[in-house]
Amino acid sequence: QVQLQESGPEVVKPSETLSLTCTVSGGSFGTIGYYWGWIRQPPGGGLEWIASGDSAGSTYYNPSLKGRVTISLDTSKKYLSLRIRSVTAADTAVYFCTRRPHGSSSGFDSWGRGTRVSVSS
Amino acid sequence: QSVLTQPPSVSGAPGQSVTISCTGSSSNIGAGYDVHWYQQLPGTAPKLLIYGNTNRPSGVPDRFSAFKSGTSASLAITGLQPEDEADYYCQSYDRSLSGYVFGAGTKVTVL
Repeated sequence: QVQLQESGPEVVKPSETLSLTCTVSGGSFGTIGYYWGWIRQPPGGGLEWIASGDSAGSTYYNPSLKGRVTISLDTSKKYLSLRIRSVTAADTAVYFCTRRPHGSSSGFDSWGRGTRVSVSS
Repeated sequence: QSVLTQPPSVSGAPGQSVTISCTGSSSNIGAGYDVHWYQQLPGTAPKLLIYGNTNRPSGVPDRFSAFKSGTSASLAITGLQPEDEADYYCQSYDRSLSGYVFGAGTKVTVL
């Protein structure tokens, strides 16, 4: 059973870079066949897909985030990271680390518990 | 405004049935992309409830069912239980937006 654990700062100042890490345990991280990524949820709001990537080096980003986002996977250390540059209050959210099996019929089948980030001076 | 449209809320008494609709367009559900459903209990992470339009992951009760037709999909909960009180989200892929999209969520209240 895969487990995902997010970590990172609770508060980030406007215009700075938000950096989060997700530690993966329980196997499958280095296995071809899964996308790993991030989804966020603003306070009282819905879910927004941010980005996904796999161990083969493919990455996919939400175009609405306008190039501010970078994700990377370190299969040897079993973690993935998220960086969002030039943050604003609109980036305040709970950030979830996720796994999605390859294939269009697969949903996001594993989620971390989420980490809350506030953008505030 | 979400690409996939869900009713903000539905409610029902214990034992009754409720249905949640998810309406998309020709660039997502109508284009043939699969619909997935998630249940989010208060204060917790979402959990995959239905994948590939109609399939339940292991451990999900058969009280939950879903189907897809045209540009829409629906999630049905039969024999409503108090523990079903949660937010439910539909999700698909949108080729115009080149990304995964979610509905705004539907809050299910068990009366």
